[in-house]
Amino acid sequence: GQNIDQPTEMTATEGAIVQINCTYQTSGFNGLFWYQQHAGEAPTFLSYNVLDGLEEKGRFSSFLSRSKGYSYLLLKELQMKDSASYLCAVMDSNYQLIWGAGTKLIIKP
Amino acid sequence: IAGITQAPTSQILAAGRRMTLRCTQDMRHNAMYWYRQDLGLGLRLIHYSNTAGTTGKGEVPDGYSVSRANTDDFPLTLASAVPSQTSVYFCASSDDREGNEQFFGPGTRLTVL
Repeated sequence: GQNIDQPTEMTATEGAIVQINCTYQTSGFNGLFWYQQHAGEAPTFLSYNVLDGLEEKGRFSSFLSRSKGYSYLLLKELQMKDSASYLCAVMDSNYQLIWGAGTKLIIKP
Repeated sequence: IAGITQAPTSQILAAGRRMTLRCTQDMRHNAMYWYRQDLGLGLRLIHYSNTAGTTGKGEVPDGYSVSRANTDDFPLTLASAVPSQTSVYFCASSDDREGNEQFFGPGTRLTVL
């Protein structure tokens, strides 16, 4: 079956750096997405990786290793507004997104 | 309209009733999707549409139907609601299905009693 694994919850301190990991096993691979979802709101797009390596976008970076079935989202200079759930999703061979359950990130002052 | 909208925002429904959740986008996106989100689970695809006039089944299609008469609208119908359909429903759209960012509506919180 298809599976996306990410930690259920993480806690970090304002101003620090946090890395959220995602491992996947899917039928085919057509890219990996990270979305942010604040409580009670819709998911919003953060990043897309289809080739191995690091993609940097401001305070957020996303890394992909296709051979290891592994990605991480790196958040730097954490702000209180970064408290949210972070969703990892993989596009399979049918171009269907398979979603992880999300990682709830709690930022403490 | 800016982006993608859903209606209603929330609804409490008696089991056995018929319900249609509405979704409209103004971005002229070809592909549209319906997901449900339940606590502790990832988003699960119910139905999708690659383009107006076509629809397809996702991971959890049973008990739901969709139509895509035009580019902008993608309603989701529960023919006879059951309590297990209590969930938050998100509609999304993308330029096409292949590797493009999906834009999500604000969601509909549905409770079936």
